[in-house]
Amino acid sequence: GENVEQHPSTLSVQEGDSAVIKCTYSDSASNYFPWYKQELGKRPQLIIDIRSNVGEKKDQRIAVTLNKTAKHFSLHITETQPEDSAVYFCAAGGSQGNLIFGKGTKLSVKP
Amino acid sequence: GAGVSQSPSNKVTEKGKDVELRCDPISGHTALYWYRQSLGQGLEFLIYFQGNSAPDKSGLPSDRFSAERTGGSVSTLTIQRTQQEDSAVYLCASSRAGANVLTFGAGSRLTVL
Repeated sequence: GENVEQHPSTLSVQEGDSAVIKCTYSDSASNYFPWYKQELGKRPQLIIDIRSNVGEKKDQRIAVTLNKTAKHFSLHITETQPEDSAVYFCAAGGSQGNLIFGKGTKLSVKP
Repeated sequence: GAGVSQSPSNKVTEKGKDVELRCDPISGHTALYWYRQSLGQGLEFLIYFQGNSAPDKSGLPSDRFSAERTGGSVSTLTIQRTQQEDSAVYLCASSRAGANVLTFGAGSRLTVL
């Protein structure tokens, strides 16, 4: 089955700096790669996703890149703000199937 | 409903007891997922239902865990003979057919004493 590795497990940045979180997956059949944000005490919420037919997707300060050959994808957050502090999860799966999540990255943005 | 509803929100039980956790997905969502989140840990996949297809049970950690989905809607996750290591937040999510954009419930926090 699918296995997703996520790094780093914790990340601390200064407000205004960029943050990058990386994930690798094992199943070459996976074609859907979402990222979820979980604030303290709340449920995970989708922030951005990418499908295997594109290499990059942007939404304001957030971007995701995908390298299918290397089976890795990354989340990039620019101009970080304190409200970006949360746990971020990557996931991989089929377009209509099960989703397997990474173990999460705790991002702390220091004012 | 407007969102994914889970009950109970909190459950404290004694080791060896059985527990049932309920998930009511968003109306019209055909896919339903159960995940387990231990304190400070990631989202561990448990089971996935899609329409009338056989569920993907590959994530269930032992035969003490089972889940049903009746009428393609409400799902119940049952843990028999609970152990302390079962203590976690159990999250349910649902998605529309053809797109696995998950909407999560608030979770059921299980504490096994």
